[in-house]
Amino acid sequence: LAKTTQPISMDSYEGQEVNITCSHNNIATNDYITWYQQFPSQGPRFIIQGYKTKVTNEVASLFIPADRKSSTLSLPRVSLSDTAVYYCLVGNTGTASKLTFGTGTRLQVTL
Amino acid sequence: GAVVSQHPSWVICKSGTSVKIECRSLDFQATTMFWYRQFPKQSLMLMATSNEGSKATYEQGVEKDKFLINHASLTLSTLTVTSAHPEDSSFYICSARGDTSTNEKLFFGSGTQLSVL
Repeated sequence: LAKTTQPISMDSYEGQEVNITCSHNNIATNDYITWYQQFPSQGPRFIIQGYKTKVTNEVASLFIPADRKSSTLSLPRVSLSDTAVYYCLVGNTGTASKLTFGTGTRLQVTL
Repeated sequence: GAVVSQHPSWVICKSGTSVKIECRSLDFQATTMFWYRQFPKQSLMLMATSNEGSKATYEQGVEKDKFLINHASLTLSTLTVTSAHPEDSSFYICSARGDTSTNEKLFFGSGTQLSVL
């Protein structure tokens, strides 16, 4: 099971780009990388998912190097409402029951 | 995207009573649902995996007689906290896995804050 390591917390000013990196040295060949966002007293919300290279959607980009041992979630021009905890998970259909949440990264955005 | 509805959002109960939490997949069939527990400022801890039509699989350290899980249909799983005590007070979250084409994407309920007096 791939274990993930993220920074515990990050601070940013509104309008800046934020990059959160996740290490997953033991990622398996068929594992996907998925990022979730969680606000206080709410369930996590899917942000983005990728397997390799770069994935972009309307809210974020995900950069995955060739060795896939890490990934970087990029949030362009963050706002106060992006203050939340961000989790990266790695896994595949076969390991669905064992997806483990790491500590997550607590992002604080201020004016 | 897929929607998972969790009810109730919060519940306050007396010590010794039982509380049932429902988790429904509204627009897709979920053969597998997961139940998590989260303490303040901590990460989610997987409690059990709920499979439709079969017994749930509990993580180590989670009492199956304390946390009863039923997954009677492809759209509903329930977690019953039996004989609740103050130490059971926590934020409980369910999630459902979409079909295999979603590549391990999980859809989460909004969570249930349980307070046991």
